[in-house]
Amino acid sequence: KQEVTQIPAALSVPEGENLVLNCSFTDSAIYNLQWFRQDPGKGLTSLLLIQSSQREQTSGRLNASLDKSSGRSTLYIAASQPGDSATYLCAVIRLDDYKLSFGAGTTVTVRA
Amino acid sequence: NAGVTQTPKFQVLKTGQSMTLQCAQDMNHNSMYWYRQDPGMGLRLIYYSASEGTTDKGEVPNGYNVSRLNKREFSLRLESAAPSQTSVYFCASSVPGRETQYFGPGTRLLVL
Repeated sequence: KQEVTQIPAALSVPEGENLVLNCSFTDSAIYNLQWFRQDPGKGLTSLLLIQSSQREQTSGRLNASLDKSSGRSTLYIAASQPGDSATYLCAVIRLDDYKLSFGAGTTVTVRA
Repeated sequence: NAGVTQTPKFQVLKTGQSMTLQCAQDMNHNSMYWYRQDPGMGLRLIYYSASEGTTDKGEVPNGYNVSRLNKREFSLRLESAAPSQTSVYFCASSVPGRETQYFGPGTRLLVL
């Protein structure tokens, strides 16, 4: 059974600092990995999807890396802003049935 | 284009009562999913429907039933609610073979 862990559970940083969010998973057999953002009381919004054959994806200030050999993914957010305050979830996606296994998330607070 | 919609947004039930959570999507997606999200835990799959007319159990199906009414709608029913079913419930949809799932805003359920 796939276990997905996100450490730390919560993070508070001053505005402008770079954010580093970690995601680890136990089974690295052919999977894609996706990062989501969740605002309080809201649903999930997809941020980045890394294909199994890729090592990273970038979108604006966001960069996500994937190291299947070590079972890790890292989400980098450059020059954080108060609007980045949210919970960030990673999910590992099985390629046979596209089921997602989620981590519990990291709640980020960016202080102005 | 509303995406994925869920009703109700919030519900309070007494133990033993029944209710149905509604989900609809207007993106012509074949696959639909029901998840629950509990504090400190990632989203867990309750049931999913790969296509109209089919449903399958996910990780935590006990105490729930589902109906894929048509391609647009996928409902989740609690026949006899228990306090352990207090949670936030999310519906999602996707195109088969495409990893990205689109999530609704969630239903917050409190069972007393």
